[in-house]
Amino acid sequence: EAEVAQSPRYKITEKSQAVAFWCDPISGHATLYWYRQILGQGPELLVQFQDESVVDDSQLPKDRFSAERLKGVDSTLKIQPAELGDSAMYLCASSLAWVAGGNEQFFGPGTRLTVL
Amino acid sequence: RKEVEQDPGPFNVPEGATVAFNCTYSNSASQSFFWYRQDCRKEPKLLMSVYSSGNEDGRFTAQLNRASQYISLLIRDSKLSDSATYLCVVNTPNDYKLSFGAGTTVTVRA
Repeated sequence: EAEVAQSPRYKITEKSQAVAFWCDPISGHATLYWYRQILGQGPELLVQFQDESVVDDSQLPKDRFSAERLKGVDSTLKIQPAELGDSAMYLCASSLAWVAGGNEQFFGPGTRLTVL
Repeated sequence: RKEVEQDPGPFNVPEGATVAFNCTYSNSASQSFFWYRQDCRKEPKLLMSVYSSGNEDGRFTAQLNRASQYISLLIRDSKLSDSATYLCVVNTPNDYKLSFGAGTTVTVRA
């Protein structure tokens, strides 16, 4: 069964350092999402790509976060500098298309970030 | 006000029991509704979509009440493996975003 791949699975860093997360969506999925999930809360969308284009990054803290999907396949999310409040699970998801009503989103295993 | 609100629980039930919980949404124009399941420290996975007429998938039944703006999930004959957090997900109209609730935790005990 095809899966969304993410790496690393766990990351511990000190505040003010840079971190990067990688996501490889299910083959053929045009839409890719990055979510942040704080313990005890639901996932919150950070950025959404349709192919290589950003569709929505309204909730992305652009002073420190950046995301790219250069060839419309895999994607990288970067934080620089990391802050204590960034500690969370970072989930990547993909779906076949971006349509009204929503297609099923398939989530990767996530990267658990701890900022010390 | 949050777009999607859920009773966090936890709902502690014995095996074989029926458990039900609701989720309310704030935007009356919301079009699509889903229940996702998330096991501890794992990723969310789609459990079922929620249709206007209500729908059933095995032991799981989902209902939509547009007038009162809530959806419900009922689990019959609970199994130990049903222990998880259930995320209510609502499609935001106009921008096609999905809004997630904080989840309802269900623990089924032997």
